[in-house]
Amino acid sequence: KAGVTQTPRYLIKTRGQQVTLSCSPISGHRSVSWYQQTPGQGLQFLFEYFSETQRNKGNFPGRFSGRQFSNSRSEMNVSTLELGDSALYLCASSLDVGSYEQYFGPGTRLTVT
Amino acid sequence: SQQGEEDPQALSIQEGENATMNCSYKTSINNLQWYRQNSGRGLVHLILIRSNEREKHSGRLRVTLDTSKKSSSLLITASRAADTASYFCATDANGNNRLAFGKGNQVVVIP
Repeated sequence: KAGVTQTPRYLIKTRGQQVTLSCSPISGHRSVSWYQQTPGQGLQFLFEYFSETQRNKGNFPGRFSGRQFSNSRSEMNVSTLELGDSALYLCASSLDVGSYEQYFGPGTRLTVT
Repeated sequence: SQQGEEDPQALSIQEGENATMNCSYKTSINNLQWYRQNSGRGLVHLILIRSNEREKHSGRLRVTLDTSKKSSSLLITASRAADTASYFCATDANGNNRLAFGKGNQVVVIP
């Protein structure tokens, strides 16, 4: 099976712009989670989607949003970008809810200038 | 929310030696997972241990879980240069795929 794919891999944006990142989970996986990784804060949970519904959300401002499509693909959007949004954004897919492994994609490296 | 915390944070060993990392957490968990990350790339899933399990093996990896002490350890035996990476533990409190990660251990294996 193909792994989790994320596009684009690298992105440079300017403060105030918005950005959309995409994630395709492993075939058959229905849960998609998003994480932000920065040197200062480490890995932080953003949100999780299952069957097109957001089930969990981390402590991030409303500028961070996401959605999941019927084929389980997911997108996350960050509006009004700030310098502090520069980070590696990681997507993870899981077969289902419960004690299942999460498989991560290669990430999207976002740089805000 | 709980946070895993690994100890030690940096480890340098010779190829062939064993490497041990520890992780502690604050509240009850459904499961604990260990991941490896190479140079800021994606995370590679290593092993998942459930709260009712005490030990798990996968190849050269051995993970233990002590829920009474709220701690876990990851042992890598017969280390290789390719094991050079950062290792993270992550806890899932409710089995809802919301992982809380520790700060990570940097392991350098010297050939």
